Amino acid sequence: GQNIDQPTEMTATEGAIVQINCTYQTSGFNGLFWYQQHAGEAPTFLSYNVLDGLEEKGRFSSFLSRSKGYSYLLLKELQMKDSASYLCAAMDSNYQLIWGAGTKLIIKP
Amino acid sequence: DVKVTQSSRYLVKRTGEKVFLECVQDMDHENMFWYRQDPGLGLRLIYFSYDVKMKEKGDIPEGYSVSREKKERFSLILESASTNQTSMYLCASSPTRNSYEQYFGPGTRLTVT
Repeated sequence: GQNIDQPTEMTATEGAIVQINCTYQTSGFNGLFWYQQHAGEAPTFLSYNVLDGLEEKGRFSSFLSRSKGYSYLLLKELQMKDSASYLCAAMDSNYQLIWGAGTKLIIKP
Repeated sequence: DVKVTQSSRYLVKRTGEKVFLECVQDMDHENMFWYRQDPGLGLRLIYFSYDVKMKEKGDIPEGYSVSREKKERFSLILESASTNQTSMYLCASSPTRNSYEQYFGPGTRLTVT
């Protein structure tokens, strides 16, 4: 079956770095996505990886290892506004997104 | 900016009622999706559409139907609402079938009593 696993909740300190891991199993693979969702709001797109390696976008970076079925989202210089849920999703061979349950990130001052 | 709007942010309905959730996108996107989001379960795909008058079942279509009469509008219908359909419903759109970014509406929190 198809499955996405990510931690339920993480806590980090303002100004620090946090890494949110995601493992996936899908029928075929057309890329790995990260979305951010603030409480009560819609998810918004953060990143997309289809090739192995690290993609950097400002304070956020996303890594993919296709052979390991593994990705992580790295957030640097954490700010209070980064408190949100981070959703990992893998696109299967039919271009359907398989979603993880999300990781709630709590930032403490 | 892409804008996806949903007809209601909050909705309360009674068991057995027929419920319509409307979604409109303003960027001429081909694809539209309906998801429900429940704590601990992530987003689950109910139905999607790649074109006008076209619909495909997602992972959990039971108890739901959809309509896409115009490209910009995708409606989700609960034929006879039940308490287990209490959830957050999210509509999304994307430009083409293999587009990687989906744009989400603000969501409708539906409570069925």
